Amino acid sequence: DGGITQSPKYLFRKEGQNVTLSCEQNLNHDAMYWYRQDPGQGLRLIYYSQIVNDFQKGDIAEGYSVSREKKESFPLTVTSAQKNPTAFYLCASSRWTEAFFGQGTRLTVV
Amino acid sequence: KQEVTQIPAALSVPEGENLVLNCSFTDSAIYNLQWFRQDPGKGLTSLLLIQSSQREQTSGRLNASLDKSSGRSTLYIAASQPGDSATYLCAVGFGGRDDKIIFGKGTRLHILP
Repeated sequence: DGGITQSPKYLFRKEGQNVTLSCEQNLNHDAMYWYRQDPGQGLRLIYYSQIVNDFQKGDIAEGYSVSREKKESFPLTVTSAQKNPTAFYLCASSRWTEAFFGQGTRLTVV
Repeated sequence: KQEVTQIPAALSVPEGENLVLNCSFTDSAIYNLQWFRQDPGKGLTSLLLIQSSQREQTSGRLNASLDKSSGRSTLYIAASQPGDSATYLCAVGFGGRDDKIIFGKGTRLHILP
């Protein structure tokens, strides 16, 4: 089945740690995105990538980093510089700006 | 800055009613507009995609319209059912070099049995 796979589903981070969220797609889409969702809020764009080895900052990139070494993969690292990382993280890919989403990763700082 | 606004933020209606959800956007130079459904704790499911050259799209009991010049879209749900209860999100895509997809905050819909 074609789709987008995010892992893990739940992730716990100690303060001061970096953690990496995985996003893999087998839809052969060029563009991939990371969004953050807080309770009662919409989705805010963290980073996006239109092609391999290229990515752009979204509206809330501070404290996050990404890489795009392969077309299928777009991992997101939440660094210790992100002061309020507890949130629901959603990855998407798109073709002609029609977006498809993974099931999300819920990150909690403990 | 591109902004997407959804009204109302929350809506409760009795089962069987027809209803309309609204979405407005500030930058009319969009490539397309997409409506999504999100169930609690889950990812987003695409409902309808309207290209910028189209006026509306239909899927079953759902109909989405787009008025690009006025920066508005509506999602019409006919004969609502309890299973329609979810959050509905509107997103605009800009394509080209600035291939962003920007979301509204959503409308939380509750259908009363």
